[in-house]
Amino acid sequence: NAGVTQTPKFRILKIGQSMTLQCTQDMNHNYMYWYRQDPGMGLKLIYYSVGAGITDKGEVPNGYNVSRSTTEDFPLRLELAAPSQTSVYFCASSVRGGSGTLNTGELFFGEGSRLTVL
Amino acid sequence: GIQVEQSPPDLILQEGANSTLRCNFSDSVNNLQWFHQNPWGQLINLFYIPSGTKQNGRLSATTVATERYSLLYISSSQTTDSGVYFCAVDSGGGADGLTFGKGTHLIIQP
Repeated sequence: NAGVTQTPKFRILKIGQSMTLQCTQDMNHNYMYWYRQDPGMGLKLIYYSVGAGITDKGEVPNGYNVSRSTTEDFPLRLELAAPSQTSVYFCASSVRGGSGTLNTGELFFGEGSRLTVL
Repeated sequence: GIQVEQSPPDLILQEGANSTLRCNFSDSVNNLQWFHQNPWGQLINLFYIPSGTKQNGRLSATTVATERYSLLYISSSQTTDSGVYFCAVDSGGGADGLTFGKGTHLIIQP
Protein backbone atom coordinates (compact mmCIF):
# COMPACT_ATOMS: atom_id res chain seq x y z
CA ASN A 1 0.00 0.00 0.00
CA ALA A 2 1.96 3.03 -1.28
CA GLY A 3 -0.62 5.69 -0.33
CA VAL A 4 -0.29 8.87 -2.41
CA THR A 5 2.57 8.94 -4.93
CA GLN A 6 3.74 12.07 -6.74
CA THR A 7 6.21 12.44 -9.59
CA PRO A 8 8.57 14.10 -10.28
CA LYS A 9 9.99 15.12 -6.89
CA PHE A 10 12.04 17.95 -8.39
CA ARG A 11 11.81 19.86 -11.67
CA ILE A 12 13.24 23.03 -13.14
CA LEU A 13 11.29 24.71 -15.94
CA LYS A 14 11.99 27.66 -18.17
CA ILE A 15 9.40 30.43 -18.44
CA GLY A 16 6.73 29.46 -20.95
CA GLN A 17 7.34 25.70 -20.78
CA SER A 18 4.57 23.28 -19.85
CA MET A 19 4.60 20.19 -17.69
CA THR A 20 2.38 17.74 -15.85
CA LEU A 21 2.75 16.72 -12.22
CA GLN A 22 1.52 13.17 -11.75
CA CYS A 23 -0.40 11.94 -8.71
CA THR A 24 -1.77 8.49 -8.02
CA GLN A 25 -3.33 6.93 -4.93
CA ASP A 26 -4.05 3.28 -4.16
CA MET A 27 -6.43 3.75 -1.22
CA ASN A 28 -9.60 3.92 -3.35
CA HIS A 29 -10.26 7.43 -2.04
CA ASN A 30 -12.95 9.35 -3.88
CA TYR A 31 -11.61 12.85 -3.15
CA MET A 32 -8.29 14.13 -4.45
CA TYR A 33 -6.63 17.54 -4.11
CA TRP A 34 -3.73 19.63 -5.32
CA TYR A 35 -2.17 22.18 -2.96
CA ARG A 36 0.77 24.52 -3.33
CA GLN A 37 3.02 25.71 -0.53
CA ASP A 38 5.06 28.88 -0.81
CA PRO A 39 7.99 29.57 1.55
CA GLY A 40 6.91 30.31 5.12
CA MET A 41 3.26 29.80 4.29
CA GLY A 42 0.60 27.21 4.76
CA LEU A 43 -0.91 25.26 1.90
CA LYS A 44 -3.37 26.72 -0.57
CA LEU A 45 -5.85 24.65 -2.56
CA ILE A 46 -5.44 24.74 -6.35
CA TYR A 47 -8.00 22.19 -7.59
CA TYR A 48 -9.91 19.29 -6.19
CA SER A 49 -11.95 16.35 -7.44
CA VAL A 50 -14.85 14.55 -5.76
CA GLY A 51 -14.66 11.56 -8.08
CA ALA A 52 -13.71 10.40 -11.55
CA GLY A 53 -14.84 12.88 -14.18
CA ILE A 54 -15.54 15.69 -11.70
CA THR A 55 -13.14 18.53 -10.87
CA ASP A 56 -13.52 21.99 -9.38
CA LYS A 57 -11.43 25.06 -8.65
CA GLY A 58 -9.93 25.82 -5.29
CA GLU A 59 -8.50 29.08 -3.97
CA VAL A 60 -5.65 29.56 -6.50
CA PRO A 61 -6.51 27.80 -9.80
CA ASN A 62 -5.14 30.31 -12.33
CA GLY A 63 -2.41 28.89 -14.57
CA TYR A 64 -3.30 25.26 -13.83
CA ASN A 65 -5.53 22.54 -15.21
CA VAL A 66 -6.52 19.13 -13.92
CA SER A 67 -8.31 16.02 -15.09
CA ARG A 68 -9.64 12.95 -13.30
CA SER A 69 -10.26 10.11 -15.71
CA THR A 70 -9.83 7.38 -13.08
CA THR A 71 -10.30 7.11 -9.31
CA GLU A 72 -6.55 6.59 -8.86
CA ASP A 73 -5.01 9.40 -10.92
CA PHE A 74 -5.22 13.19 -10.64
CA PRO A 75 -2.58 14.95 -12.78
CA LEU A 76 -1.92 18.68 -12.52
CA ARG A 77 -1.02 20.49 -15.73
CA LEU A 78 0.98 23.74 -15.81
CA GLU A 79 0.63 25.62 -19.08
CA LEU A 80 3.04 28.47 -19.92
CA ALA A 81 5.01 28.26 -16.67
CA ALA A 82 5.70 31.55 -14.86
CA PRO A 83 8.12 32.39 -12.00
CA SER A 84 5.08 32.87 -9.71
CA GLN A 85 4.45 29.13 -10.02
CA THR A 86 7.74 28.31 -8.29
CA SER A 87 6.49 26.38 -5.28
CA VAL A 88 6.20 22.99 -3.64
CA TYR A 89 3.14 21.09 -4.84
CA PHE A 90 1.34 18.51 -2.75
CA CYS A 91 -1.26 16.01 -3.89
CA ALA A 92 -3.64 14.59 -1.31
CA SER A 93 -6.61 12.27 -1.08
CA SER A 94 -9.44 11.48 1.31
CA VAL A 95 -12.61 9.44 1.51
CA ARG A 96 -15.78 11.41 2.16
CA GLY A 97 -19.49 10.93 2.01
CA GLY A 98 -21.51 7.78 2.47
CA SER A 99 -22.36 6.19 5.79
CA GLY A 100 -19.03 4.58 6.64
CA THR A 101 -17.43 5.58 9.93
CA LEU A 102 -14.08 5.88 8.17
CA ASN A 103 -15.41 8.48 5.73
CA THR A 104 -14.18 11.39 7.80
CA GLY A 105 -12.44 13.48 5.16
CA GLU A 106 -9.07 12.86 6.84
CA LEU A 107 -6.44 14.02 4.37
CA PHE A 108 -3.39 11.98 3.32
CA PHE A 109 -0.54 13.70 1.46
CA GLY A 110 2.08 12.68 -1.05
CA GLU A 111 5.71 13.66 -0.48
CA GLY A 112 5.56 16.79 -2.60
CA SER A 113 7.04 18.03 -5.87
CA ARG A 114 9.44 20.99 -5.83
CA LEU A 115 9.07 23.08 -8.96
CA THR A 116 11.32 25.98 -9.93
CA VAL A 117 10.52 28.24 -12.90
CA LEU A 118 13.44 30.31 -14.18
CA GLY B 1 -14.04 31.70 3.98
CA ILE B 2 -12.97 30.27 7.30
CA GLN B 3 -9.91 31.83 8.95
CA VAL B 4 -7.26 29.81 10.81
CA GLU B 5 -4.74 31.42 13.13
CA GLN B 6 -1.90 29.54 14.78
CA SER B 7 0.27 30.66 17.67
CA PRO B 8 3.05 31.10 18.40
CA PRO B 9 4.55 31.48 14.92
CA ASP B 10 7.98 30.40 16.16
CA LEU B 11 9.09 28.43 19.21
CA ILE B 12 12.58 27.42 20.32
CA LEU B 13 12.89 24.92 23.17
CA GLN B 14 15.48 22.74 24.79
CA GLU B 15 15.23 18.99 24.48
CA GLY B 16 12.99 17.59 27.20
CA ALA B 17 10.73 20.65 27.46
CA ASN B 18 6.96 20.60 27.02
CA SER B 19 5.04 22.84 24.61
CA THR B 20 1.52 23.86 23.70
CA LEU B 21 0.57 25.00 20.21
CA ARG B 22 -2.72 26.74 19.61
CA CYS B 23 -5.08 26.91 16.62
CA ASN B 24 -8.03 29.31 16.53
CA PHE B 25 -10.64 29.12 13.79
CA SER B 26 -13.41 31.50 12.82
CA ASP B 27 -16.34 29.16 12.12
CA SER B 28 -17.71 25.79 13.14
CA VAL B 29 -15.82 22.88 11.62
CA ASN B 30 -16.54 19.28 10.71
CA ASN B 31 -12.91 18.37 10.15
CA LEU B 32 -9.76 19.50 11.97
CA GLN B 33 -6.35 17.96 11.49
CA TRP B 34 -2.87 18.58 12.86
CA PHE B 35 0.11 17.91 10.62
CA HIS B 36 3.85 17.88 11.19
CA GLN B 37 6.03 18.99 8.28
CA ASN B 38 9.47 17.59 8.91
CA PRO B 39 12.70 19.30 7.75
CA TRP B 40 12.56 17.25 4.52
CA GLY B 41 9.18 18.73 3.67
CA GLN B 42 7.01 15.68 4.29
CA LEU B 43 3.55 16.30 5.72
CA ILE B 44 2.69 13.75 8.37
CA ASN B 45 -0.77 13.29 9.85
CA LEU B 46 -0.73 13.69 13.60
CA PHE B 47 -4.38 13.87 14.57
CA TYR B 48 -7.83 13.99 13.05
CA ILE B 49 -9.69 15.79 15.83
CA PRO B 50 -12.81 17.87 15.03
CA SER B 51 -13.74 17.61 18.72
CA GLY B 52 -12.58 15.98 21.93
CA THR B 53 -9.15 14.77 23.02
CA LYS B 54 -6.73 12.26 21.56
CA GLN B 55 -3.31 11.06 22.60
CA ASN B 56 -0.53 9.35 20.68
CA GLY B 57 2.62 8.77 22.70
CA ARG B 58 4.15 12.09 23.71
CA LEU B 59 1.66 14.04 21.62
CA SER B 60 -1.91 14.86 22.46
CA ALA B 61 -4.52 17.19 21.04
CA THR B 62 -7.72 18.75 22.29
CA THR B 63 -10.35 20.55 20.24
CA VAL B 64 -13.04 22.64 21.94
CA ALA B 65 -15.36 23.06 18.99
CA THR B 66 -17.84 25.33 20.81
CA GLU B 67 -15.05 27.81 21.56
CA ARG B 68 -13.37 27.36 18.16
CA TYR B 69 -9.89 26.38 19.15
CA SER B 70 -7.60 23.37 19.24
CA LEU B 71 -4.42 22.71 21.20
CA LEU B 72 -1.52 20.42 20.38
CA TYR B 73 0.62 19.31 23.32
CA ILE B 74 4.13 17.97 22.92
CA SER B 75 5.73 16.53 26.04
CA SER B 76 9.40 15.67 26.64
CA SER B 77 10.42 17.21 23.30
CA GLN B 78 13.02 15.52 21.15
CA THR B 79 15.13 17.00 18.35
CA THR B 80 13.11 14.93 15.87
CA ASP B 81 10.04 16.97 16.86
CA SER B 82 11.53 19.97 15.05
CA GLY B 83 9.67 21.23 12.01
CA VAL B 84 6.48 23.10 11.24
CA TYR B 85 3.16 22.15 12.79
CA PHE B 86 0.05 22.97 10.79
CA CYS B 87 -3.55 23.08 11.85
CA ALA B 88 -6.07 22.65 9.02
CA VAL B 89 -9.86 22.84 9.11
CA ASP B 90 -12.86 22.22 6.91
CA SER B 91 -16.11 24.01 7.63
CA GLY B 92 -18.03 21.96 5.08
CA GLY B 93 -19.14 25.04 3.15
CA GLY B 94 -17.82 26.46 -0.12
CA ALA B 95 -14.90 24.72 -1.83
CA ASP B 96 -13.97 21.36 -0.44
CA GLY B 97 -10.56 20.78 1.03
CA LEU B 98 -8.86 21.87 4.21
CA THR B 99 -7.94 25.47 4.98
CA PHE B 100 -4.48 25.67 6.52
CA GLY B 101 -3.04 28.00 9.10
CA LYS B 102 0.43 29.44 8.56
CA GLY B 103 1.96 27.01 11.00
CA THR B 104 4.14 27.05 14.11
CA HIS B 105 7.85 26.62 13.42
CA LEU B 106 9.28 24.55 16.28
CA ILE B 107 13.01 24.13 16.87
CA ILE B 108 14.15 21.69 19.55
CA GLN B 109 17.75 22.26 20.57
CA PRO B 110 19.86 19.42 22.03
